[in-house]
Amino acid sequence: SAVISQKPSRDICQRGTSLTIQCQVDSQVTMMFWYRQQPGQSLTLIATANQGSEATYESGFVIDKFPISRPNLTFSTLTVSNMSPEDSSIYLCSAQGQGSYGYTFGSGTRLTVV
Amino acid sequence: AQRVTQPEKLLSVFKGAPVELKCNYSYSGSPELFWYVQYSRQRLQLLLRHISRESIKGFTADLNKGETSFHLKKPFAQEEDSAMYYCALRSQGNLIFGKGTKLSVKP
Repeated sequence: SAVISQKPSRDICQRGTSLTIQCQVDSQVTMMFWYRQQPGQSLTLIATANQGSEATYESGFVIDKFPISRPNLTFSTLTVSNMSPEDSSIYLCSAQGQGSYGYTFGSGTRLTVV
Repeated sequence: AQRVTQPEKLLSVFKGAPVELKCNYSYSGSPELFWYVQYSRQRLQLLLRHISRESIKGFTADLNKGETSFHLKKPFAQEEDSAMYYCALRSQGNLIFGKGTKLSVKP
């Protein structure tokens, strides 16, 4: 299965600033996703990163706040914009390989906004 | 609406005891279900999926459509099984996760 490298692994940011999280997969994958895991909560899907087109956002998430890029089949970025303390969370990248039923996850980015 | 429910936030058992982590789902159609595990300080990883009907690390899970359940079972728990377990449902290409159950296996 695909191996995902996600960085940074953690960061502490000032409110009002933005952070871009990178996700690199070691092979071409069909689907890439971004999740958020707030403290004590389960994983919530933010959006599906579409190669060559705009991401598909879930209810409650908007492009202005979480712009996503996916320039090719192995790479994606998620930006958390104009951060507030409520954005403190773990952000996870996930990918589904071609012809695979399984989903692989990055190690996550632990974001703290102060 | 599609939903995954894991009723137990924490499950604590002794080594060698049987384990059952409960998962119920709500889905219109034929579900695809998974169990993911996250060991301490490690990334989330696939444990098993119902399609393959496999047994991984002694764990099995049977899809019961009548009860809309996909409970995870192991006859004899080991200390190294201590982890966070998530049940997930594939919907429109992505995964919907339950809230997770923390399994603690005591010596």
